[in-house]
Amino acid sequence: NAGVMQNPRHLVRRRGQEARLRCSPMKGHSHVYWYRQLPEEGLKFMVYLQKENIIDESGMPKERFSAEFPKEGPSILRIQQVVRGDSAAYFCASSLGHNSYEQYFGPGTRLTVT
Amino acid sequence: DQQVKQNSPSLSVQEGRISILNCDYTNSMFDYFLWYKKYPAEGPTFLISISSIKDKNEDGRFTVFLNKSAKHLSLHIVPSQPGDSAVYFCAASSDRGSTLGRLYFGRGTQLTVWP
Repeated sequence: NAGVMQNPRHLVRRRGQEARLRCSPMKGHSHVYWYRQLPEEGLKFMVYLQKENIIDESGMPKERFSAEFPKEGPSILRIQQVVRGDSAAYFCASSLGHNSYEQYFGPGTRLTVT
Repeated sequence: DQQVKQNSPSLSVQEGRISILNCDYTNSMFDYFLWYKKYPAEGPTFLISISSIKDKNEDGRFTVFLNKSAKHLSLHIVPSQPGDSAVYFCAASSDRGSTLGRLYFGRGTQLTVWP
């Protein structure tokens, strides 16, 4: 399967713990995007990364959230000291490049904070 | 600020008929528009797109129409099938400025196609 992979699919964390979400882009894609979907809402952009570079993180909360896309391995979205309001579906998408408008999404990680 | 709006949260259509899903946008800098389909507990699946230099794009049963002056686009599905039942998201993008690369999504429209 050459699609976008995300793991875990479901993640339960207690308030104050850390959440790590992983995303492997489609083969050949070097651009990764993270989006968050709250209940009854559309997807909201969080961050756009290329290998070893953060291109745009303006959609990400300034505190507790960070993202990386290292030279080797998957992209990681990290949420420190999770709160109940972080409960959402987090989707990763990839594209060939910023001039390739079509973004292909993974199945998402559903984070539940108890 | 919701720059992409889907004002109908739901639409119910009989199998074989046409489904028309609507989307409005406010940002005149948007120059590319996409429709995604989403089933529960899955990620959005890319369906069809249109560049702002066109007013129509067709792919099988799916056609997207763009009216730039009205800042409005629509997705037509003909004929509708029960398997089309899903949430449809409209998204927009700009190839200019600091928002390069990001997609702006509407809240989605739940389409139900009944036999």
